[in-house]
Amino acid sequence: SSELTQDPAVSVALGQTVRITCQGHSLRNYYASWYQQKAGQAPVLVFYNKDNRPSGIPDRFSGSGSGNTASLTITGAQAEDEADYYCHSRDSSGYLYVFGPGTKVTVL
Amino acid sequence: EVQLVESGGVVIQPGGSLRLSCAASGFTFDDYAMHWVRQVPGKGLEWVSLMTWDGSGTYYADSVKGRFTISRDDSKTSLYLQMNSLRTDDTAMYYCAKDLYLGSSGILDVWGHGTMVTVSS
Repeated sequence: SSELTQDPAVSVALGQTVRITCQGHSLRNYYASWYQQKAGQAPVLVFYNKDNRPSGIPDRFSGSGSGNTASLTITGAQAEDEADYYCHSRDSSGYLYVFGPGTKVTVL
Repeated sequence: EVQLVESGGVVIQPGGSLRLSCAASGFTFDDYAMHWVRQVPGKGLEWVSLMTWDGSGTYYADSVKGRFTISRDDSKTSLYLQMNSLRTDDTAMYYCAKDLYLGSSGILDVWGHGTMVTVSS
């Protein structure tokens, strides 16, 4: 089992807001980074640390964190946001890394 | 253009050895830590290994420690993963990824398209 946990799947109506959460003990000490993976493609970094969005990523993607939980929010979800989303952070030792199991986002 | 291109994936028998390569271009390779991440088809991502920018630090997931070795050749701007004692559960797409920083932040800002390793008799 992963040291980071995520809901397996969420759905959101087109144009509405969806929050994807990631929980884990290490998140009390380390930020998470978030990756979007569309079917048949490599993952893409969409958000990291407290408030960093890579260039080219739409500003409808935002992140937050509190305690042992990190969140990725898509405000005004678009059809092209349908994908698997993974959180990533250090493990409980602080030396290694671990991905969450992923959340499949369906845009209705 | 910043690019990572993996190669070396094949079908191989259990117990065999294999070396994956990742050719980097478009950035100063020796300024960044590099990672390997794998994904079983239809499953989630698994972090495999990390090497810091200067090669002084190497780290491995428990699932591959003692069997896999990460290395880099800055003169060839390439990252490698030597995989020994391969098992059927090593079957996966293997991705090379660039760290955002020279140490290790775990923020993977550039990914290759992956190379498929199938371990089967």
